[in-house]
Amino acid sequence: DSGVTQTPKHLITATGQRVTLRCSPRSGDLSVYWYQQSLDQGLQFLIQYYNGEERAKGNILERFSAQQFPDLHSELNLSSLELGDSALYFCASSPGQGLGNQPQHFGDGTRLSIL
Amino acid sequence: GESVGLHLPTLSVQEGDNSIINCAYSNSASDYFIWYKQESGKGPQFIIDIRSNMDKRQGQRVTVLLNKTVKHLSLQIAATQPGDSAVYFCAENMGHPGRRALTFGSGTRLQVQP
Repeated sequence: DSGVTQTPKHLITATGQRVTLRCSPRSGDLSVYWYQQSLDQGLQFLIQYYNGEERAKGNILERFSAQQFPDLHSELNLSSLELGDSALYFCASSPGQGLGNQPQHFGDGTRLSIL
Repeated sequence: GESVGLHLPTLSVQEGDNSIINCAYSNSASDYFIWYKQESGKGPQFIIDIRSNMDKRQGQRVTVLLNKTVKHLSLQIAATQPGDSAVYFCAENMGHPGRRALTFGSGTRLQVQP
């Protein structure tokens, strides 16, 4: 058990809809990272928050957004969903800002299926 | 169900043998490297890490070797067990404020034959 909790485990919805994925980091970790894993793209970094502030952005679509709350949990919001958004979405956390020498620990992901 | 792509390179070994999984990384400025193990239906699980000022690091049954000259990383698993069957990813981090995210390799599937 990594200590990172993601909910829900599975989500099935339709095109055009909006969903919210939730992540609770490991106790004491201040950084939260979101990744997308699809069959043909591998693990792709989306966005990082550190202590409530956005710190780095990767290949995140404009239809997607995230935030980190004062209790350090994070939410990833996906809107105007398309079939291609079907994937596994992982959250990871680390103690510091992610500048290196600290591994990120991953949750077990949310599997999003768009019908 | 499957968590990752079905067309990954696959390494098949016999139980008890040693396994070596290789990874070529992309950025010569990367200074921190991690190996992750991903089992079906699970998230990537941290195995071992190494900083660029080291060539070798050992853990329990695992050893990571780093060759910066050719930008190559390897994971050695001693006495491979059926529970080691999974997809293994290497990841690199530049440690630069503008590049905090991990960049993952495409993964290798390890199959352990009993």
